[in-house]
Amino acid sequence: EAGVAQSPRYKIIEKRQSVAFWCNPISGHATLYWYQQILGQGPKLLIQFQNNGVVDDSQLPKDRFSAERLKGVDSTLKIQPAKLEDSAVYLCASSSPPRDRGQYEQYFGPGTRLTVT
Amino acid sequence: GENVEQHPSTLSVQEGDSAVIKCTYSDSASNYFPWYKQELGKRPQLIIDIRSNVGEKKDQRIAVTLNKTAKHFSLHITETQPEDSAVYFCAAGFGGGGFKTIFGAGTRLFVKA
Repeated sequence: EAGVAQSPRYKIIEKRQSVAFWCNPISGHATLYWYQQILGQGPKLLIQFQNNGVVDDSQLPKDRFSAERLKGVDSTLKIQPAKLEDSAVYLCASSSPPRDRGQYEQYFGPGTRLTVT
Repeated sequence: GENVEQHPSTLSVQEGDSAVIKCTYSDSASNYFPWYKQELGKRPQLIIDIRSNVGEKKDQRIAVTLNKTAKHFSLHITETQPEDSAVYFCAAGFGGGGFKTIFGAGTRLFVKA
């Protein structure tokens, strides 16, 4: 099966600019996650969708970050305006519904490496 | 809030030796404990996982143990090989339909040939 797709792979922007990331999960996966991974740290959950509804966005800096998954498939994550501390790899992951075998495994995309200068 | 502590942050072993990475979690509702391996510049990939109703699970050279009472779980890699060199993340998951996973900070494992 095709894996989780993300684009772009790399992005360099100046602080205060805006940026958007795109994710296409594995077909049929209802749950989609966006993580921020700062160099040397573990993935930190930003937002979690179940179909097109938000399950958890408690760690999303809502004053500058937004995300949507309008049709329950693709998702976009936006940062506006960006800060230096937003430099990180943004990982998208998806998982299948609880009733499926391997229900909890998350499949990660290749990530988008963001550098804010 | 929920937290997962992982130790050590860096581990260096000789090829053929064993490596052990330990994690503790704070939320007693956690019922799923995966381990992910992330090679340099690549995405995290699941290598083994364990559910809360199981105390130990093995898959070839990799094993995971879980102590629910102490809220500890560990990854054991035996007969390490240079290709085991990577960053390993433990995680603790909980919830039903809105399943949530909290990751540890990672352990960078170096296997010296």
